[in-house]
Amino acid sequence: DAKTTQPPSMDCAEGRAANLPCNHSTISGNEYVYWYRQIHSQGPQYIIHGLKNNETNEMASLIITEDRKSSTLILPHATLRDTAVYYCIVRPSPGGYSTLTFGKGTMLLVSP
Amino acid sequence: EPEVTQTPSHQVTQMGQEVILRCVPISNHLYFYWYRQILGQKVEFLVSFYNNEISEKSEIFDDQFSVERPDGSNFTLKIRSTKLEDSAMYFCASRATGGEQFFGPGTRLTVL
Repeated sequence: DAKTTQPPSMDCAEGRAANLPCNHSTISGNEYVYWYRQIHSQGPQYIIHGLKNNETNEMASLIITEDRKSSTLILPHATLRDTAVYYCIVRPSPGGYSTLTFGKGTMLLVSP
Repeated sequence: EPEVTQTPSHQVTQMGQEVILRCVPISNHLYFYWYRQILGQKVEFLVSFYNNEISEKSEIFDDQFSVERPDGSNFTLKIRSTKLEDSAMYFCASRATGGEQFFGPGTRLTVL
């Protein structure tokens, strides 16, 4: 699986958009970009995934650059409950047998 | 909303003792996983399970570990002879065919 690089921490004011970057310059054509998050000591939670088009769901938006070497997870109106570690993961295909390989992620702190 | 449940939430055991961690996956899911997270470290994959057999396992999952689906609802992780370094949060996850992994709240295992 391609390696990802994320900043170790970010801050965001409550109500503002949180933009979390991820670099995955060695991503290959069949690999998807996934985002999970882990609120303190809880199990990881799936957020969103994409291949090359931008994606949006009820939790977040995912913007993938045209060359697919980087992406940004956007939480449009961050709340205090969004404080968590956010993991960007690149993996071969949705579902399937491939497991999740977690890095250190980005610790997002949302402040009042 | 259906969720993965795990019991117990916290297990304390003496080194050398056997422990069984229990998980109830989401009812229509067919793929099951165990991950662990040592305090302050990354979430690490242990094993995946499908159709009553192990699909994939990591180097961590040695002969001291075993998994079982003893009935139609439970999925268990057994550690035969616990070591101090087995102290960690253990997360169970499950997914439907083609779906994403949903994680349980975890069991904190403390080996004394």
